[in-house]
Amino acid sequence: DSGVTQTPKHLITATGQRVTLRCSPRSGDLSVYWYQQSLDQGLQFLIQYYNGEERAKGNILERFSAQQFPDLHSELNLSSLELGDSALYFCASSVQAGNNSPLHFGNGTRLTVT
Amino acid sequence: QQPVQSPQAVILREGEDAVINCSSSKALYSVHWYRQKHGEAPVFLMILLKGGEQKGHEKISASFNEKKQQSSLYLTASQLSYSGTYFCGTEQAGNYGQNFVFGPGTRLSVLP
Repeated sequence: DSGVTQTPKHLITATGQRVTLRCSPRSGDLSVYWYQQSLDQGLQFLIQYYNGEERAKGNILERFSAQQFPDLHSELNLSSLELGDSALYFCASSVQAGNNSPLHFGNGTRLTVT
Repeated sequence: QQPVQSPQAVILREGEDAVINCSSSKALYSVHWYRQKHGEAPVFLMILLKGGEQKGHEKISASFNEKKQQSSLYLTASQLSYSGTYFCGTEQAGNYGQNFVFGPGTRLSVLP
């Protein structure tokens, strides 16, 4: 158990809808990362927060947004969903923001858009 | 731009050795290695922070050559439990900050 909690585990929704994925980082971790993993593909970096502030943004679509709250949990909002958004979405957390801290991954949220 | 990994896939018999390589066109200041088993989350294996430094984890070790901008993961006397996809990861400058990106992965299958 990594200590990172993601909810829900599974989400099935229709095209055009909006969903919210939630992540609670490990106790003491200040940094949260979001990744998208399509079927049998690699990990695509979406966005990173550190202590409530956006630190880095990758190839995240404009239809997607995220935030990190004062209690350090994070939410990823996906809107106007398309079939191609179906994927496994991972959240990871680390103690620090730089590249010297291991990333600890949650079990992911599997999103299916029908 | 994400790191490059080779090979894409490798099949081994139990007890055999394997090497997985990771390289980048951008400067590498550190390299992480993770393993992901099918249907599970990636799990951290190790961080390489300095050039030429080797770190170990069970029978898995790695090296990092910052001048050549590459890292290698060594799996010795592989076990069935080593099967999975191995990713290298590193922080690289993106358009909006320092992105922590992963290579495309190397799928390792260990057969009895």
